[in-house]
Amino acid sequence: AQSVTQLDSQVPVFEEAPVELRCNYSSSVSVYLFWYVQYPNQGLQLLLKYLSGSTLVKGINGFEAEFNKSQTSFHLRKPSVHISDTAEYFCAVSSFSGGYNKLIFGAGTRLAVHP
Amino acid sequence: DAMVIQNPRYQVTQFGKPVTLSCSQTLNHNVMYWYQQKSSQAPKLLFHYYDKDFNNEADTPDNFQSRRPNTSFCFLDIRSPGLGDAAMYLCATSSPKGGGETQYFGPGTRLLVL
Repeated sequence: AQSVTQLDSQVPVFEEAPVELRCNYSSSVSVYLFWYVQYPNQGLQLLLKYLSGSTLVKGINGFEAEFNKSQTSFHLRKPSVHISDTAEYFCAVSSFSGGYNKLIFGAGTRLAVHP
Repeated sequence: DAMVIQNPRYQVTQFGKPVTLSCSQTLNHNVMYWYQQKSSQAPKLLFHYYDKDFNNEADTPDNFQSRRPNTSFCFLDIRSPGLGDAAMYLCATSSPKGGGETQYFGPGTRLLVL
């Protein structure tokens, strides 16, 4: 069975500071990894994804994540955050078969950027 | 722009009164999903359609049903809503053609049960 653990439920940070949101996963098979962002009362927007290849993945809004197979981690980073990055961030794992993928989400990390 | 649309954005219903939530897509994707997201929790998959094939998650209550009359539309029916069904309901789509691993989400419908 697959599972995702987001190690921090809340991360407060000052504007223009760097941030890292941590995600660990467990799976017995090859997986795809995702980070989604959810702004208040909105749906989920894909930030970035890892399917294969380079372990450093760059996404939208200046975010990037690094896949570490030995540590089963997929941490999300941004070198300098803005107030507008305040949102809920979800890490997810999936395995793709039969034409669809089932996403298993972590519990989410609430990023609060303060001026 | 191609997108996933959910109507209404907010829905209020009474305890036990059937309610239907709507999702439409202009992406022409084969797969449509319904998720339930309770306050401060992760989205939880209820079921999905691959074309007309319906796939229910094992722990989805019988109270939740779905219909997909065509490629573009998918409905979530809650037969007898309880207070515990108050949540955000998210619709998503994906396609097995090139990049099928990515799901595209609508803005969600927030359901309030009185």
